[in-house]
This record gives sequence, structure tokens and C-alpha cells, in this order.
Amino acid sequence: EAGVAQSPRYKIIEKRQSVAFWCNPISGHATLYWYQQILGQGPKLLIQFQNNGVVDDSQLPKDRFSAERLKGVDSTLKIQPAKLEDSAVYLCASSLYVGGGNTEAFFGQGTRLTVV
Amino acid sequence: GQSLEQPSEVTAVEGAIVQINCTYQTSGFYGLSWYQQHDGGAPTFLSYNGLDGLEETGRFSSFLSRSDSYGYLLLQELQMKDSASYFCAVCNAGKSTFGDGTTLTVKP
Repeated sequence: EAGVAQSPRYKIIEKRQSVAFWCNPISGHATLYWYQQILGQGPKLLIQFQNNGVVDDSQLPKDRFSAERLKGVDSTLKIQPAKLEDSAVYLCASSLYVGGGNTEAFFGQGTRLTVV
Repeated sequence: GQSLEQPSEVTAVEGAIVQINCTYQTSGFYGLSWYQQHDGGAPTFLSYNGLDGLEETGRFSSFLSRSDSYGYLLLQELQMKDSASYFCAVCNAGKSTFGDGTTLTVKP
């Protein structure tokens, strides 16, 4: 079974530039997440989709971050304009979750963003 | 809101047993998960506790006490490859809120 695919793996941009990350979840997984992981911290949820609807985007800085999940499959996360504090690894994850307790998530390798 | 506390670092020797504790405060709770993350790698799921008690998966076990808002991950027969960061995560409404992780160093 193919895992969660993310691209690019690495990205270096200057502050105030824009950047986009792409994620292809595991086939059949209804729920997709974007997490931000700053060095030395745990992953922090930015947005959760179920199929192509947003379930939770309460921690997404909406003045600069946007995300979409077209046709309930692939997703893109965009930052515009980037700030220095956006330097982090951006992790995409997916799960079979459609209700209940266990939310076992499968993570991609992430995109390491450096803003200079 | 939700907050989780776990030790930042633990060191143990090969073959030993180590316990990583996690305490949480949460406004919504279905269960507690544990993930492992090697340097530069993706977090990988280890276990989930939805009910009080012990769940065992090979060398790893996880425990939950909902009344104490407490859980732990027990790693037995430690191997060098177990050196990694371990995260507890509160599960609620299909999402996981992660602690800041415990870095486990296994020494020969």
C-alpha cells in the first residue's frame, strides 16, 4: 500500500514570498490533516479535512495560510506571504477516521521549509 | 483547550525497560495515542488507548488512566533502533493534539 506522498521535500524561500505544498493521501482515507512541526516541538494541527470539507481550521493563520482539498483527495497548503517564524516541517497525514475514537494517522515525510 | 506534559529526555541502556509518562488536560477526550519519530522521519503510530488499562503490542505497551488524566508508554528489551522521539497525543473528534515529545537515547 502506498503511503502519504508529499512534495517538495525541501524548500528555501525569502520572507514575504509565497510557497505551496502538495499532499496525496493514502487511497480511501477520508480524513486529511496538515500539521506544522517546529524543531523540538510536537506536530501542531493546522487544518483537518473530511472528504473535501473543512472540519477544523481553528489554528490556521488565515491571514497568510490557505488550504484546499479538491475532489476529496489531493490537498495543497499555501503560505503567502511567508514569515521567518514559518520555518518548520509541514506534515500531511491521512486517516480512515469518519467517527469514533481511534484516529490512527499515517504521516508523509514532510516538507522542510526554511524562510530566510 | 488541551495541554500535554511529558519528559523532554530519557536515557537508557540496551536491553533495559523504560517508561515514558504523559499527563494531559483536555476539554474533550476520546483516547490517547503514541507515535514514534526518528530524526528527519515521519511520525509513525505505535498504539491507542480508548479505555483504561494496558494495551500490549510486542515490546511496546501503553497504559491509560482516564480518572488520573495519565498514560504511559513502556518499552521493553530496548534496542539501539528505539532511539527516537516519542509523542503522546490526545485524540478528540478525529484529530490528535500532540505533546512536545520525549527524546529517548538508547546507549550500548
